[in-house]
Amino acid sequence: GAVVSQHPSRVICKSGTSVKIECRSLDFQATTMFWYRQFPKQSLMLMATSNEGSKATYEQGVEKDKFLINHASLTLSTLTVTSAHPEDSSFYICSAGTSGGPGELFFGEGSRLTVL
Amino acid sequence: QKEVEQNSGPLSVPEGAIASLNCTYSDRGSQSFFWYRQYSGKSPELIMSIYSNGDKEDGRFTAQLNKASQYVSLLIRDSQPSDSATYLCAVGIGFQKLVFGTGTRLLVSP
Repeated sequence: GAVVSQHPSRVICKSGTSVKIECRSLDFQATTMFWYRQFPKQSLMLMATSNEGSKATYEQGVEKDKFLINHASLTLSTLTVTSAHPEDSSFYICSAGTSGGPGELFFGEGSRLTVL
Repeated sequence: QKEVEQNSGPLSVPEGAIASLNCTYSDRGSQSFFWYRQYSGKSPELIMSIYSNGDKEDGRFTAQLNKASQYVSLLIRDSQPSDSATYLCAVGIGFQKLVFGTGTRLLVSP
C-alpha cells in the first residue's frame, strides 16, 4: 500500500510550548490529508481536513487557533499544537488517500504527544 | 450525529477458530465501509473495504454488509495469535472522510 510517514513519533514538551508534527506522503501526491486524535482506549476522532493550497477545514469543537494546519505542498501537511497543555496529550495520526476513491486511507505511524 | 457502534470486547477466541466482529451504523445513506486493524500503540492499518451488500473475501478475511440492517461485519477464519489487535469499523461520510467506531479488541489464544 501507499506510504504515509509522520514525524516525530514521540514528543514530550512543557506546558505552554508549541509542537509541530509533520505528515508526508512518500510515494504519492495527496491534495487532501486528514488529522485524527486518539485518546487511550478511545476511537479516532477526526480533527480537521487539510487541503493543499487552502485553509484547513476543522471539525466541530476543534479550535483552529490552537491546532494550526498547513498543507503547503502535495506531499506535506503539518499540525502545530500551540500553547500545549496536559489535556492535549494524545496520539495524533494523519492519513491520506491515493485516489478519488471514497475512503481507502493510509495512515501515518502516529505521533504520541505528552505535555508535562 | 453519525455514529458507528462496536462492542468493545475483548472477544476471546482460540487459535484456529473463526472470529466474528460486528458493527452497526446510524447513517442510512452511508455507501462505504472499512475495517482497520490497530495494534497497541500503532496507527490503523486497512484490512478490508466493502461497498455493496453481501460478502467480500480476501484471504482469511470476509467482510459482510447489510445496508438494510445497517450492519457490517468482519469474519477472520483460522484466527492466529498475531491477529490479536483492536479492529476498527469505519464508515465513509464524505469524500475520504471516515467516522470510526470505538473498536473491538480481539484476543486469540494459542
